[in-house]
Amino acid sequence: NAGVTQTPKFQVLKTGQSMTLQCAQDMNHEYMSWYRQDPGMGLRLIHYSVGAGITDQGEVPNGYNVSRSTTEDFPLRLLSAAPSQTSVYFCASSWSRGGDYGYTFGSGTRLTVV
Amino acid sequence: GENVEQHPSTLSVQEGDSAVIKCTYSDSASNYFPWYKQELGKRPQLIIDIRSNVGEKKDQRIAVTLNKTAKHFSLHITETQPEDSAVYFCAARGGSQGNLIFGKGTKLSVKP
Repeated sequence: NAGVTQTPKFQVLKTGQSMTLQCAQDMNHEYMSWYRQDPGMGLRLIHYSVGAGITDQGEVPNGYNVSRSTTEDFPLRLLSAAPSQTSVYFCASSWSRGGDYGYTFGSGTRLTVV
Repeated sequence: GENVEQHPSTLSVQEGDSAVIKCTYSDSASNYFPWYKQELGKRPQLIIDIRSNVGEKKDQRIAVTLNKTAKHFSLHITETQPEDSAVYFCAARGGSQGNLIFGKGTKLSVKP
């Protein structure tokens, strides 16, 4: 099993550009989520999904869109990149929304917006 | 919604000493409290968790305690080793169907 796979690992964007961060898991987890990690701010929830076709907003959803067409994939779209979106992004999956038995995190995407 | 406060933000100890990290939560309905360890440049990984019907849980050198009345929980690491150096995150799950909300993290440095 590959676990949770995130691509790309690094990305530099210009302000106003759009892009999609990819996340795929092969553990048949129903729950998937996106977090951003900023220095001194911990992990903040952007969007989450409890199953294919179901998504909802987390703590910091503005400027991001998600969709969940399959159980395996949960891409995160930046609509018009801003410097404030410079961060490390982690995708996570779990058997349950509440994280029983732990979240499996991807290796992260380091995004810089200039 | 749930809010999790974590202290201290940085902690430096000598090898062999104990380290304690404390977290408080706001939602009295929260019932699940995991701790994650993130080594430099790596992804967070679950190291221990506790549920609201348990007061303490141990796993070798790591223990977690929970005080539901005061709404706080703590991570205790004994006989610290250099490989314990990392950022530690506490988290709380709001209610029975809530998402995990993370604290801001504690950077632990263990000096040889």
